[in-house]
Amino acid sequence: DGGITQSPKYLFRKEGQNVTLSCEQNLNHDAMYWYRQDPGQGLRLIYYSQIVNDFQKGDIAEGYSVSREKKESFPLTVTSAQKNPTAFYLCASRIRQGWVEKLFFGSGTQLSVL
Amino acid sequence: SQQGEEDPQALSIQEGENATMNCSYKTSINNLQWYRQNSGRGLVHLILIRSNEREKHSGRLRVTLDTSKKSSSLLITASRAADTASYFCATGLNAGGTSYGKLTFGQGTILTVHP
Repeated sequence: DGGITQSPKYLFRKEGQNVTLSCEQNLNHDAMYWYRQDPGQGLRLIYYSQIVNDFQKGDIAEGYSVSREKKESFPLTVTSAQKNPTAFYLCASRIRQGWVEKLFFGSGTQLSVL
Repeated sequence: SQQGEEDPQALSIQEGENATMNCSYKTSINNLQWYRQNSGRGLVHLILIRSNEREKHSGRLRVTLDTSKKSSSLLITASRAADTASYFCATGLNAGGTSYGKLTFGQGTILTVHP
């Protein structure tokens, strides 16, 4: 089945630790995105990548880093500089064909601080 | 700041009733999309309406867009218990005529449909 796979589903971070969230897609989409969702709130854009080896900061990039070495993969690292990392993290890829445009989302990773 | 704001924040209805959710936004857009999220899951795309369209239908969904008022509404007709979820509007911004796929999401409406 084609889709987006995020892992792990649950992740715990100790203070001062960096953690990496995995996002893999087999949809052959060029663009990929990372969003953060806090309880009862909407999604906020962390980073996005339009093409391999290129990415741009979103609205809340501080304390996060990404890489895009392969088309299929867009991992997100939550660094120790992110002081409030507890949230639900969602990865997405985009299809765009003429006027058809939509995001496909993974099932998310819940990150909590120990 | 969030581009889209949904209203109401929560909506509780009986099965068979219609559910209407509203979304307002602040700047010029290329398109507006609606997504659904079941608890603890990712979002699923429901429907997209372009800035030059006023109304669009898909099954039991009806979306309207009023660019002069910078608002949109999502109507779910004949609701079912399985429609229980959070619904988000997302706006694609006009960036020199090119959409970079950067969607800005509202805070969502939590819909509960009672059997």
